[in-house]
Amino acid sequence: RKEVEQDPGPFNVPEGATVAFNCTYSNSASQSFFWYRQDCRKEPKLLMSVYSSGNEDGRFTAQLNRASQYISLLIRDSKLSDSATYLCAVKKYGQNFVFGPGTRLSVLP
Amino acid sequence: DTGVSQDPRHKITKRGQNVTFRCDPISEHNRLYWYRQTLGQGPEFLTYFQNEAQLEKSRLLSDRFSAERPKGSFSTLEIQRTEQGDSAMYLCASSLVGREGYEQYFGPGTRLTVT
Repeated sequence: RKEVEQDPGPFNVPEGATVAFNCTYSNSASQSFFWYRQDCRKEPKLLMSVYSSGNEDGRFTAQLNRASQYISLLIRDSKLSDSATYLCAVKKYGQNFVFGPGTRLSVLP
Repeated sequence: DTGVSQDPRHKITKRGQNVTFRCDPISEHNRLYWYRQTLGQGPEFLTYFQNEAQLEKSRLLSDRFSAERPKGSFSTLEIQRTEQGDSAMYLCASSLVGREGYEQYFGPGTRLTVT
């Protein structure tokens, strides 16, 4: 089993829709969690950290479920500009980051 | 621009040649990471430094790969005797230890093509 797994998609949704992605991790010692956005042939850009209490930034909400070992990202009122690949990253204390393969989102007009 | 920078942005080389990439992290960041990314995959960890010390290397990093961060500022990644399988995007990221969340920020990457 891979350490961090994501559904590769693509998720094709109409503008204005709400879409959610999950990311599962296998190591229960993982302590820090992040969502990144990556546009085609560009570097990943930090979207948000995921705190135990959850995190909301505008239309984006991230949640952590330690019991089931997954993090989620919810995008409300999706825009054409949200089309990208969304990567989750997981980190254990004192160790490196592990990234998932990414979930591709296409927001359609 | 005070973000992470990488040089060169693109490199085409023939199999068997050596290549070296440079990364300049965000100035106050003390951790620097190198990743490799191929199409359809997430970034794959190669190695990281805290200041000038190389703290971890991936088991995937063969002996042909070496990285340095001699003064705890910029870093170089060298690949000797390149192979076609080395073709990928090489990403550098930096973060500040002690900052909540250990958020890391990526540079634009160096795209390597081995012919």
